[in-house]
Amino acid sequence: NAGVTQTPKFQVLKTGQSMTLQCAQDMNHEYMSWYRQDPGMGLRLIHYSVGAGITDQGEVPNGYNVSRSTTEDFPLRLLSAAPSQTSVYFCASSYTGGSQPQHFGDGTRLSIL
Amino acid sequence: TQLLEQSPQFLSIQEGENLTVYCNSSSVFSSLQWYRQEPGEGPVLLVTVVTGGEVKKLKRLTFQFGDARKDSSLHITAAQPGDTGLYLCAAGKRSGYALNFGKGTSLLVTP
Repeated sequence: NAGVTQTPKFQVLKTGQSMTLQCAQDMNHEYMSWYRQDPGMGLRLIHYSVGAGITDQGEVPNGYNVSRSTTEDFPLRLLSAAPSQTSVYFCASSYTGGSQPQHFGDGTRLSIL
Repeated sequence: TQLLEQSPQFLSIQEGENLTVYCNSSSVFSSLQWYRQEPGEGPVLLVTVVTGGEVKKLKRLTFQFGDARKDSSLHITAAQPGDTGLYLCAAGKRSGYALNFGKGTSLLVTP
C-alpha cells in the first residue's frame, strides 16, 4: 500500500502565484487533514475533513482553501502565495478522526520568494 | 485550541543514558498520541494512550498517561543513536475531530 502520498515534494513559488498541493490516500480513511510545520512553532492544523463533501477550519486557515470531492483526495490550495506561507506542509489521514492514529505523508517543502 | 506544552525543547545526550520528556496541558484529553519524526519525513505514530494512569512499553520506550488525563511522559532507557528525532505529543478533544500537536522535543543521541 502507498499510504498517504503528497506531491510535489519540493516547490518554489513567487509571491502572488497560486498552486495546489496534492494529497491522496489509499486506505479508505474518512478523516484527512493538512498541517504546516515551522521551526519553533510545531505542527499547526490548517484544515481538516471528516468525509467527502465536509471540511472545516483548523488553527491557521487563512490563505488556504480545501475541498474534498472524493474519499481519497484532499488538495490544499494557495490562491495568492505569500512569503509567510513558506513552510513544510504535511497531509495526514485516519479512519474516523483526531483521536485515531494519524498516517502522515512525507511532506511538501514550499518556498515562496 | 488546547495547548500542549512539551519539555524540554531540546535534549542532547550520549548513548546509553536514560531520559524523560514531558507533555502537559490544562485540558483533559480523550486520548493522547506520541509520534517520532525523522528529518525529511512525516511523523510516525509510536503509541496511543487512552486510560488515566495507563503505562505502555515499546521496547526501551515507556509511555505513561497521567491519572487525570492531562499529561503524559515518555521515558527512554539506554538511548541509542537510532532514537534521534523529534518527539511529538498530540491530543484530540472528546467532542471534536481536530488533532492538535505540541511543539515537540528534539532529541540527539551521540555515540
